[in-house]
Amino acid sequence: KQEVTQIPAALSVPEGENLVLNCSFTDSAIYNLQWFRQDPGKGLTSLLLIQSSQREQTSGRLNASLDKSSGRSTLYIAASQPGDSATYLCAVSPNTGRRALTFGSGTRLQVQP
Amino acid sequence: EPEVTQTPSHQVTQMGQEVILRCVPISNHLYFYWYRQILGQKVEFLVSFYNNEISEKSEIFDDQFSVERPDGSNFTLKIRSTKLEDSAMYFCASPGTDSSGANVLTFGAGSRLTVL
Repeated sequence: KQEVTQIPAALSVPEGENLVLNCSFTDSAIYNLQWFRQDPGKGLTSLLLIQSSQREQTSGRLNASLDKSSGRSTLYIAASQPGDSATYLCAVSPNTGRRALTFGSGTRLQVQP
Repeated sequence: EPEVTQTPSHQVTQMGQEVILRCVPISNHLYFYWYRQILGQKVEFLVSFYNNEISEKSEIFDDQFSVERPDGSNFTLKIRSTKLEDSAMYFCASPGTDSSGANVLTFGAGSRLTVL
């Protein structure tokens, strides 16, 4: 059974810092990995998706990497802003015809102005 | 940008009552998913629905749950007899594309269910 773990559970940084969020998964047979952002009481907003054949994806100040063989992904946020404060979730999709996502418990990020 | 629309945004019900949550997924997609998130816990997969049939379901999705497509564009999640532990945020999701054109799973804003 796939297990997804995210470290740290919470992180507080001053504005402007670069930071790295970590995600690990136990079964490397994944189809893709997706990073989401969740604001309190809100839905999930997709940030980046990495296919299993890819090593990284970039969108603006965000960069996600994937090392499938070691079961790890990182989300790098450059020049953090207070508006980045949210919970960041990592989720993997299995390498089968079905695509149900397995989520990590998230990293709660607070960027101090 | 295509959206997934969920109603109601919040529902309060008494234990034992039936609840129906509604979702309008991204148009022209045959796949949609239901997930739930109990407060403070992980987002959990409930069920996937493809072409008017359940494609996959988790252990959580027991006989108290059902999904239907009452018309061409709406999907529903029904909980027949709610329990206190059904209190959660329920999310509907549909395959879509992000700004770069990549296929992603697009989630609705969720329906918060509170069972008293």
